[in-house]
Amino acid sequence: RKEVEQDPGPFNVPEGATVAFNCTYSNSASQSFFWYRQDCRKEPKLLMSVYSSGNEDGRFTAQLNRASQYISLLIRDSKLSDSATYLCVVASPGGYQKVTFGTGTKLQVIP
Amino acid sequence: EAGVAQSPRYKIIEKRQSVAFWCNPISGHATLYWYQQILGQGPKLLIQFQNNGVVDDSQLPKDRFSAERLKGVDSTLKIQPAKLEDSAVYLCASSLHKSRQITNYGYTFGSGTRLTVV
Repeated sequence: RKEVEQDPGPFNVPEGATVAFNCTYSNSASQSFFWYRQDCRKEPKLLMSVYSSGNEDGRFTAQLNRASQYISLLIRDSKLSDSATYLCVVASPGGYQKVTFGTGTKLQVIP
Repeated sequence: EAGVAQSPRYKIIEKRQSVAFWCNPISGHATLYWYQQILGQGPKLLIQFQNNGVVDDSQLPKDRFSAERLKGVDSTLKIQPAKLEDSAVYLCASSLHKSRQITNYGYTFGSGTRLTVV
């Protein structure tokens, strides 16, 4: 089983739609979780951290489910500008924080 | 604040040649990472430094890749000799947290160096 798994997509959704991505992780001791956004030919940029209680930032909501070992990202009222690849990032504790990226989920918002 | 600086932006070399990439992290960031991102894949960690010490280089192909972070600030990543499968974007990232701390700060990436080996 991969350490971090994501559905590569692409998810093609119309403008205004709500879309959700999941990301599963294998290490139950993982403690830090993030969603990054990566535009084509650009570097990844932090979208939001994922907190245990869940968190929301405008149209974006992130959730953590420790029991089932997955995190989710919900995007409401999709915009054309949301088209990108969304990378799940999991950090595991230990002597140092091991950081693992998922392969990303590609989102295409269509007019 | 200034971001993570990387150079060059693009590099084309022939297989078996050598190449070096440079990274200057955000000032004060203790932890520096080098990632390799092959087209269509997520970034793969090559090496992680805390200050000038290596904390994880388990996925670094040490027969051809090397990296250093002298003085705990900027860093260089070298490939010698390059292979065709090394064609990728090499991303440098830095983080405020120290490696042993659990953090929600996340990581800031540079623009990357796109390497093409022909």
